[in-house]
Amino acid sequence: QKEVEQNSGPLSVPEGAIASLNCTYSDRGSQSFFWYRQYSGKSPELIMSIYSNGDKEDGRFTAQLNKASQYVSLLIRDSQPSDSATYLCASRASKIIFGSGTRLSIRP
Amino acid sequence: ETGVTQTPRHLVMGMTNKKSLKCEQHLGHNAMYWYKQSAKKPLELMFVYSLEERVENNSVPSRFSPECPNSSHLFLHLHTLQPEDSALYLCASSQDLREETQYFGPGTRLLVL
Repeated sequence: QKEVEQNSGPLSVPEGAIASLNCTYSDRGSQSFFWYRQYSGKSPELIMSIYSNGDKEDGRFTAQLNKASQYVSLLIRDSQPSDSATYLCASRASKIIFGSGTRLSIRP
Repeated sequence: ETGVTQTPRHLVMGMTNKKSLKCEQHLGHNAMYWYKQSAKKPLELMFVYSLEERVENNSVPSRFSPECPNSSHLFLHLHTLQPEDSALYLCASSQDLREETQYFGPGTRLLVL
């Protein structure tokens, strides 16, 4: 059974700090990795995708991929209350597989 | 708004009812997807359609029956559901199967009594 594992949280981070979200995947054939943000009662929204080892930065978000260790992480710098949401990690080999999500809470 | 709409947004049905969920995308995409999202469980891919042809069916029970009459519309027909089928059903679309970015609709919150 191919899986994507995430700590369900909640992860509580003070406003302005760095939020670090982690994810591991089991399928070594995975080539594409994604982070989706899902606000309560809303649908998932793609915020980052990463395909090669290393870091990828987009504004306050940085995705990190380590294929040897089979983990993906998402760093959110200067966390804002509006970042409070559930973050879904996903990997794709032949098909996309989602983790169950990590709930992030940014406290003012 | 992502350009993907779903109706109804909420649905309560008995185990003997028949109902349908509708999804429409206004993005000109060629691939459409049905997902099931249950509390504290991973998002589960149910069906994938490309150019109105079903290309993936992830061992979904036959009480769920998808229909894709054209590349803009996707239906999920429901009959004799079980209480454990209660979940958020999400539709998504992408430019085509190779395109990684999927755009999700707002979902239908389904409760089976």
